[in-house]
Amino acid sequence: AQSVTQLGSHVSVSEGALVLLRCNYSSSVPPYLFWYVQYPNQGLQLLLKYTSAATLVKGINGFEAEFKKSETSFHLTKPSAHMSDAAEYFCAVSPRSNSGYALNFGKGTSLLVTP
Amino acid sequence: NAGVTQTPKFRVLKTGQSMTLLCAQDMNHEYMYWYRQDPGMGLRLIHYSVGEGTTAKGEVPDGYNVSRLKKQNFLLGLESAAPSQTSVYFCASSRLTNEKLFFGSGTQLSVL
Repeated sequence: AQSVTQLGSHVSVSEGALVLLRCNYSSSVPPYLFWYVQYPNQGLQLLLKYTSAATLVKGINGFEAEFKKSETSFHLTKPSAHMSDAAEYFCAVSPRSNSGYALNFGKGTSLLVTP
Repeated sequence: NAGVTQTPKFRVLKTGQSMTLLCAQDMNHEYMYWYRQDPGMGLRLIHYSVGEGTTAKGEVPDGYNVSRLKKQNFLLGLESAAPSQTSVYFCASSRLTNEKLFFGSGTQLSVL
């Protein structure tokens, strides 16, 4: 089964600093890749999705992610962190097939933003 | 537009008790899912459904049963609750398997 690995269970940045959350996937064929965000006491919300139309994917709230096949990575970035970005972020992978369900989530990265 | 609604939001059970969690979606989605979320473990798929009347096992199905008698509802049952089932449970739905998942707000379950 395809999987994703999120490097770093906790990341801390200062307000205004670059946010970089790392995700690597394991697949011989480029899959669909997702980033979801979970704010405290809420369900997950989709930030962005990679479908192969473009390697740089722009999402909501100023986030973007770049698909790099050579590195099997899909890291999430934001140029300038805001206090409201503090949340849990999940990378997820799904194969390019509709033959049943196979969306696998990473273990998550908790982002702390300090003043 | 309600989206995905889970009931109840909180529940405390004693070991051996049974309960059912209800998930309802109003978006006419074919796919529905039940996940559990535990600290440091991310989200793990329990069971899912690809349409009315269908169910399938996910990554951690043991101790749980599900039913999808109506397209809009997906029920998760615990027949004999165990402390290891203490977790936050999330229901989600999607139009297709590779499309955006819509999540409910979660059910916090404690089994004593």
